[in-house]
Amino acid sequence: NAGVMQNPRHLVRRRGQEARLRCSPMKGHSHVYWYRQLPEEGLKFMVYLQKENIIDESGMPKERFSAEFPKEGPSILRIQQVVRGDSAAYFCASSPGGAGGAYEQYFGPGTRLTVT
Amino acid sequence: QQPVQSPQAVILREGEDAVINCSSSKALYSVHWYRQKHGEAPVFLMILLKGGEQKGHEKISASFNEKKQQSSLYLTASQLSYSGTYFCGTDGTDKLIFGTGTRLQVFP
Repeated sequence: NAGVMQNPRHLVRRRGQEARLRCSPMKGHSHVYWYRQLPEEGLKFMVYLQKENIIDESGMPKERFSAEFPKEGPSILRIQQVVRGDSAAYFCASSPGGAGGAYEQYFGPGTRLTVT
Repeated sequence: QQPVQSPQAVILREGEDAVINCSSSKALYSVHWYRQKHGEAPVFLMILLKGGEQKGHEKISASFNEKKQQSSLYLTASQLSYSGTYFCGTDGTDKLIFGTGTRLQVFP
């Protein structure tokens, strides 16, 4: 039973480039969450998606950031024109249901983004 | 709305007990607990739903008092493997809001 998969595990981008982070949820899970974590800090919610729908993007910056979860394929978090402040670990989590806190979330290994 | 955890850090010797608290300013339906080791992903420990239910996971258990809007995580007879940062997560309409974190270090 494969867990949540994320790739790449490490990503280095120069300022101004685009970063694409991918997340494949656990089998049978149709709810995906993205979080950002700065060094020595907690997990900050960014966006919650179901297949082909963005349910809650209240934690995602309105500029440069976008997310999708297509009918086929992984969920993608896209950061355009990256800046140094985007350097962080980005975690994806999946759950078997939504409804806020009713279901456990399983996290992927994360993508460590470094902007130079 | 971020839940507040206390203490911020705990240092233990193997075999000692610890309690980590999580308090929210809003009414709660559920509380999640996760542990994250340095450089790794958070790992789900347990979820407590409204009803004051206490749950256990090996020597780690938790309680949830929805009237007081708080939860406590109990670690008994701590092991070296318990080291890491513990986060509580509370429900925030379609998402989890994670707490400030408690760093636990267990030494031999």
